[in-house]
Amino acid sequence: GQNIDQPTEMTATEGAIVQINCTYQTSGFNGLFWYQQHAGEAPTFLSYNVLDGLEEKGRFSSFLSRSKGYSYLLLKELQMKDSASYLCAVTNDYKLSFGAGTTVTVRA
Amino acid sequence: EAQVTQNPRYLITVTGKKLTVTCSQNMNHEYMSWYRQDPGLGLRQIYYSMNVEVTDKGDVPEGYKVSRKEKRNFPLILESPSPNQTSLYFCASSFLIPAGLAGGPSYEQYFGPGTRLTVT
Repeated sequence: GQNIDQPTEMTATEGAIVQINCTYQTSGFNGLFWYQQHAGEAPTFLSYNVLDGLEEKGRFSSFLSRSKGYSYLLLKELQMKDSASYLCAVTNDYKLSFGAGTTVTVRA
Repeated sequence: EAQVTQNPRYLITVTGKKLTVTCSQNMNHEYMSWYRQDPGLGLRQIYYSMNVEVTDKGDVPEGYKVSRKEKRNFPLILESPSPNQTSLYFCASSFLIPAGLAGGPSYEQYFGPGTRLTVT
């Protein structure tokens, strides 16, 4: 079975840093995705980690530790437009399993 | 413009009346997939397809059918809809990484705009 856990909600102040953790216990693992989803819209791709370590893309970074079944998404210099849900997803063979998502609220 | 389209965007129907939600992509992607999204449960994969005539079950396939007769189209069929299938449905597509290279959907998965289905 697939078990992917992430916090339900997080709140942070504009300009701050927020780290969204994701832990997974899955029957197999090929890679881990992070997606962003604004209310009422489709998810959009943020990052994909296959190997252990940190990948940085502008204000967003994603980290993976396969031995610990753990990933995090780091959002720096938060902006109001970053208020959204962030979805962690694990791919195993050709299946994709998502966590329930973390709703991030950015306050002025 | 590269895109995934879904139709209809909104649908209200009654229990037992067969319906089809269409999905089409213009990016020549091998991999296509259907998800449903429910509050507190996140996105759950219903079915996926690795190429024409190749489909397989995701985590919640019961009550759904799919077909992949052409590369660009991947319709979702509900033969006898029930109220527990009321949900937001997303279709997605991507290129496919070969199995020998951490196989699966490529990192760039494109989602359609969603179809909100209500079954009464």
